[in-house]
Amino acid sequence: NAGVMQNPRHLVRRRGQEARLRCSPMKGHSHVYWYRQLPEEGLKFMVYLQKENIIDESGMPKERFSAEFPKEGPSILRIQQVVRGDSAAYFCASSQGAGLDTIYFGEGSWLTVV
Amino acid sequence: SQKIEQNSEALNIQEGKTATLTCNYTNYSPAYLQWYRQDPGRGPVFLLLIRENEKEKRKERLKVTFDTTLKQSLFHITASQPADSATYLCAPSGAGSYQLTFGKGTKLSVIP
Repeated sequence: NAGVMQNPRHLVRRRGQEARLRCSPMKGHSHVYWYRQLPEEGLKFMVYLQKENIIDESGMPKERFSAEFPKEGPSILRIQQVVRGDSAAYFCASSQGAGLDTIYFGEGSWLTVV
Repeated sequence: SQKIEQNSEALNIQEGKTATLTCNYTNYSPAYLQWYRQDPGRGPVFLLLIRENEKEKRKERLKVTFDTTLKQSLFHITASQPADSATYLCAPSGAGSYQLTFGKGTKLSVIP
């Protein structure tokens, strides 16, 4: 039973480029969450999506960041015009339901902006 | 604003001893609290969930307590092993909440 799959695991981008991070949830899971972990910081919630819907994006920076979870295919976190401060580990998680359902994290995508 | 503090950024203990990690929260009334383990370069792994009406929960060598009066959770690993070395994260959450708020974690090192 495959877990939450994230790719790429490591990504290097130059300032001003775009970064696209992909997440395939666990089989049977329709709820996807993105979290960011900055160096020396705790995990911070970014966005919660269900298929074709953004439920809560209160943790997303207002500019340059967007997320989607299409009917078919993985969830995508897109960062446009990356800056050095975007360097972080981005974790995707999924759950079967919401609320008290246990969420399962992927191994993360580590973005480095040079 | 909500604040979560995990006392001790790092904790070193001798193999075989019991490790006790602390999670304190303020301006918060969580309905439940979760503990995760995170290894370097890896994603967090769920360990235990305890609800506000539960005082204690156990799973193998792990024990979690939840004191809503003190606004504190304690996480114990008995008979600790070097393989238990990792960062442990606590995440209190409100009822029906899907959004986890994590503490910064405590890095545990178990010395052989």
